Amino acid sequence: DAEITQSPRHKITETGRQVTLACHQTWNHNNMFWYRQDLGHGLRLIHYSYGVHDTNKGEVSDGYSVSRSNTEDLPLTLESAASSQTSVYFCASSDEQGFPGELFFGEGSRLTVL
Amino acid sequence: GNSVTQMEGPVTLSEEAFLTINCTYTATGYPSLFWYVQYPGEGLQLLLKATKADDKGSNKGFEATYRKETTSFHLEKGSVQVSDSAVYFCAPSPSGGYQKVTFGTGTKLQVIP
Repeated sequence: DAEITQSPRHKITETGRQVTLACHQTWNHNNMFWYRQDLGHGLRLIHYSYGVHDTNKGEVSDGYSVSRSNTEDLPLTLESAASSQTSVYFCASSDEQGFPGELFFGEGSRLTVL
Repeated sequence: GNSVTQMEGPVTLSEEAFLTINCTYTATGYPSLFWYVQYPGEGLQLLLKATKADDKGSNKGFEATYRKETTSFHLEKGSVQVSDSAVYFCAPSPSGGYQKVTFGTGTKLQVIP
């Protein structure tokens, strides 16, 4: 079965370190998204991509970057981790170009920045 | 921009009680409307959707009707079960172009036996 996987599922790091969260989907979806989930804020969009070599900033993109070198992967990088980036991160994908439609989510990556 | 307002949680109900979770939205154009559910320790998954006015989405006993005149998409279930305990997210999806889904803050439901 097609799926979307995130790794690592749990990560503890120190302030100032670079961290990369991986997201891999096997649906061949063009659209991929990264969200963070925090109490009281729901899900907020960090970055998104509508295809290979396409990346766009979401509402909370400061301190994060993504790259899309193939259809399957959209890694999220925290260049210099900050305590404010402690959160649960979700990757999602969808297959309807121009119309997000149904999103398929990974199981999440819990990041703690000490 | 787009926004979503969901009722505050947590909502605590006894098993077999009636559930309503309110959702109102603002969006440009003519959005499609979604409810997602997040069970403990998992990612979100689609619960139901409606793509045009007066459409009713339904799944697993849950229903929601697209009310264009009141810009609402309230989630209902006639008889909740303990297994329905989860966080529920309302999410309008704008139509046209390369658009992004906006999520509400989520409403946590706790069903007690």
